[in-house]
Amino acid sequence: AQSVSQHNHHVILSEAASLELGCNYSYGGTVNLFWYVQYPGQHLQLLLKYFSGDPLVKGIKGFEAEFIKSKFSFNLRKPSVQWSDTAEYFCAVNKEGDDKIIFGKGTRLHILP
Amino acid sequence: DAGITQSPRHKVTETGTPVTLRCHQTENHRYMYWYRQDPGHGLRLIHYSYGVKDTDKGEVSDGYSVSRSKTEDFLLTLESATSSQTSVYFCAMRQALRSDTQYFGPGTRLTVL
Repeated sequence: AQSVSQHNHHVILSEAASLELGCNYSYGGTVNLFWYVQYPGQHLQLLLKYFSGDPLVKGIKGFEAEFIKSKFSFNLRKPSVQWSDTAEYFCAVNKEGDDKIIFGKGTRLHILP
Repeated sequence: DAGITQSPRHKVTETGTPVTLRCHQTENHRYMYWYRQDPGHGLRLIHYSYGVKDTDKGEVSDGYSVSRSKTEDFLLTLESATSSQTSVYFCAMRQALRSDTQYFGPGTRLTVL
C-alpha cells in the first residue's frame, strides 16, 4: 500500500529563515505528487504539483519542491519565510492512473514575527 | 473554491443518531472524495466516487456510507454516529485522473456527544 511520510510534525522558524519540509513516499511506480497548504480555519489549497518533466517545481507564494525519484522524496522549500506562511502543510501522492490520493499527516509550521 | 460547497458547516449530534453530510459541486467533475481530518492523522480517505452510482471504500470507511445519485452531489452518511467520528470532514473533487488536481470544500466540523 502507498504511504506518505512527513518527517517534521511541527516546525518553528523566524521570519526570513529558509524552509525545507521533508516528504517521502513508498510507492515505486509512476506517481503524481502534491503539496497542499491549510491556513488556520481554512480548507486545503494547492501549493504545487508534479506530474512529469522538470523535477524542480515552482508553486505559488515563492514555494518550490524537488522530486528526487531515487530517494522517493518530494521536499518543499522556500528561501525566506514570512509570518503569513504560518499554516499546516500536507504532502500527497497519487499512483498514476489510480483514483486515490494519499496524504501525509501534515507539518504544522509556525513563523515567529 | 467556490465550485464546491459543503453543508452543514457545523453540526453537533448525539451518539447513535444518523447524520448526513452533503457535498455539492458545480464543475461537473467526475471524481469526488470524502476525507476526515484529525490531529496527528492528517487527512484520511473515507470513501470516493468515480462517477454517478460508482463508489469505493477508502482507508477508514467503517461506520460510513456514501451515495452519488447525481454528478454534482456526494452524500456521506454516518448510520449511527459515535464519539470517534467527531472530526472535520472535507469533500474534494477532481476532474480527471491524469494530470489533475483535487479541489477541496470548506469542511464540516462534526461533534458527536
